Amino acid sequence: AQSVTQPDIHITVSEGASLELRCNYSYGATPYLFWYVQSPGQGLQLLLKYFSGDTLVQGIKGFEAEFKRSQSSFNLRKPSVHWSDAAEYFCAVVRYSSASKIIFGSGTRLSIRP
Amino acid sequence: EPEVTQTPSHQVTQMGQEVILRCVPISNHLYFYWYRQILGQKVEFLVSFYNNEISEKSEIFDDQFSVERPDGSNFTLKIRSTKLEDSAMYFCASSGGTGGGNEAFFGQGTRLTVV
Repeated sequence: AQSVTQPDIHITVSEGASLELRCNYSYGATPYLFWYVQSPGQGLQLLLKYFSGDTLVQGIKGFEAEFKRSQSSFNLRKPSVHWSDAAEYFCAVVRYSSASKIIFGSGTRLSIRP
Repeated sequence: EPEVTQTPSHQVTQMGQEVILRCVPISNHLYFYWYRQILGQKVEFLVSFYNNEISEKSEIFDDQFSVERPDGSNFTLKIRSTKLEDSAMYFCASSGGTGGGNEAFFGQGTRLTVV
């Protein structure tokens, strides 16, 4: 069965510092991979996605993620965080071969220290 | 930019009452989903819908839940007899436009409060 693990429940970083949020997935083949962001009380906004090709993908708001097949990871990074980046971040996976359900990780809450 | 819209944004209902949550998916999408997020917890899959029938459902989606696409544009989730534990944010999503890919677009959610 597919699963997504986000080992960090809560991370606090200083404004201007770099950020890396970890995500590991379990799936037999290469899945579609996503990162979504959720601000408090809001919906889910897609930050970026990986389907195939270049393993380093760029997203909105200055985020990027790198797919590493050997580590079954898809970590999210940002070189310099802004206070507005404080939110909940969800890694997600979909089976490659069909438009089937998205499996979400448990989320990582990002707090920004002024 | 096309978007998924959900109404109402917040619904308060008494335990045992029926509620219908409404969604308008992106117009050329073919796959529709409902997800649930209990406060402070992860986003959980409820059901997927394709070609006018349920394609997959989770254990959460029991007999008190149903989905319908009544008129070719709306996609509804009905909870027949609400329980306190149904209080959650419910997200509708759609995917599978003509451009291909499995990217799902989510609505802003309906916060359901059962009292």
